[in-house]
Amino acid sequence: GNSVTQMEGPVTLSEEAFLTINCTYTATGYPSLFWYVQYPGEGLQLLLKATKADDKGSNKGFEATYRKETTSFHLEKGSVQVSDSAVYFCALREGGGSNYKLTFGKGTLLTVNP
Amino acid sequence: NAGVMQNPRHLVRRRGQEARLRCSPMKGHSHVYWYRQLPEEGLKFMVYLQKENIIDESGMPKERFSAEFPKEGPSILRIQQVVRGDSAAYFCASSDRPQDNEKLFFGSGTQLSVL
Repeated sequence: GNSVTQMEGPVTLSEEAFLTINCTYTATGYPSLFWYVQYPGEGLQLLLKATKADDKGSNKGFEATYRKETTSFHLEKGSVQVSDSAVYFCALREGGGSNYKLTFGKGTLLTVNP
Repeated sequence: NAGVMQNPRHLVRRRGQEARLRCSPMKGHSHVYWYRQLPEEGLKFMVYLQKENIIDESGMPKERFSAEFPKEGPSILRIQQVVRGDSAAYFCASSDRPQDNEKLFFGSGTQLSVL
């Protein structure tokens, strides 16, 4: 079956540091890949997505590139802010699958200190 | 426009009791989805409902779990005779159409603890 593996948290960084959160996946076919973010006290919201190999998703300074050869979709940001403190979830949707049947990773808690 | 509202935020039950989790979708949304996050695992799809209909319950445990989304009122996820293994975070999402997960709006979840 499908699965998503994220790096263990929590991750603690200082403001303006470089961020990488690793994500690898196992899936049949050609899945679509997503990063969701959950800010404190809020629901998950879509941060970025990529639907095919070599696509780069980007939003709010975050980027992730769909790497089929390494089955990875690592999240990066060049300079984090305190407001980026949240839980980040990597997710996939099986190619041709129902749009709501997402498979999520466990989530990585990011804390950014001023 | 209020977001997806879930209540309670935290629910504590003893083994054998019933748990009822509520989800009020965003205004105008008629599609509701429930996900469960067990400890040390990712969220997993449980069930998809439209008003008064269950569309896809392929992720629901076969026993003790049920869900409804009545014509009026919130969607309810009901767990009968809870066991410790039911302890998890339960997330609800809603959409105004089912075909694009970019339009999925999630609630902040209900944390169920079974003693």
